[in-house]
Amino acid sequence: EAGVAQSPRYKIIEKRQSVAFWCNPISGHATLYWYQQILGQGPKLLIQFQNNGVVDDSQLPKDRFSAERLKGVDSTLKIQPAKLEDSAVYLCASSLYLGTGELFFGEGSRLTVL
Amino acid sequence: TQLLEQSPQFLSIQEGENLTVYCNSSSVFSSLQWYRQEPGEGPVLLVTVVTGGEVKKLKRLTFQFGDARKDSSLHITAAQPGDTGLYLCAGEWNNDMRFGAGTRLTVKP
Repeated sequence: EAGVAQSPRYKIIEKRQSVAFWCNPISGHATLYWYQQILGQGPKLLIQFQNNGVVDDSQLPKDRFSAERLKGVDSTLKIQPAKLEDSAVYLCASSLYLGTGELFFGEGSRLTVL
Repeated sequence: TQLLEQSPQFLSIQEGENLTVYCNSSSVFSSLQWYRQEPGEGPVLLVTVVTGGEVKKLKRLTFQFGDARKDSSLHITAAQPGDTGLYLCAGEWNNDMRFGAGTRLTVKP
């Protein structure tokens, strides 16, 4: 069974530029999460989707971050404009059910903002 | 303020030693999970505990969920270099999973 796929693995941009990350969850997983993990810290939830609907985006900085999950499968997370403090690993995870069960993570997309 | 507080933040021990790491909260969780994360990879689930007072064993790892379902511990017996990694606890909160900051464990040969 294929795991959670993310791209790109690495991205370096200058502040005020924009960037987009893509995630393809495990087939059949209804719930998709985007987490931000700053170096030395645990993952911080940015947004959670159930199919193509948003369940929780309370910690998403909506002035610069946006995410969508069209058709309830793939998802894209965008940052525009990027700030230095956005440097982090962006992890995508999926799970079969809402709220319970194992989260399966991708390898992450490492963003460096210069 | 973190919903889940993990301690210690860093732990460096010699191969063969025992260790315990902790995950504490003032909130009650319906379930709590432990993940391990290695550099350059995403976290991987080790165990889920659901019932207060529950103890689960996974080879040399013993997980305990507090009676009040507010805290958990992970005990490793005879640690090996392969146990090196970031240990994260995660709790179900309003239908989503919130993570602690993790304990970074280094086991020296």
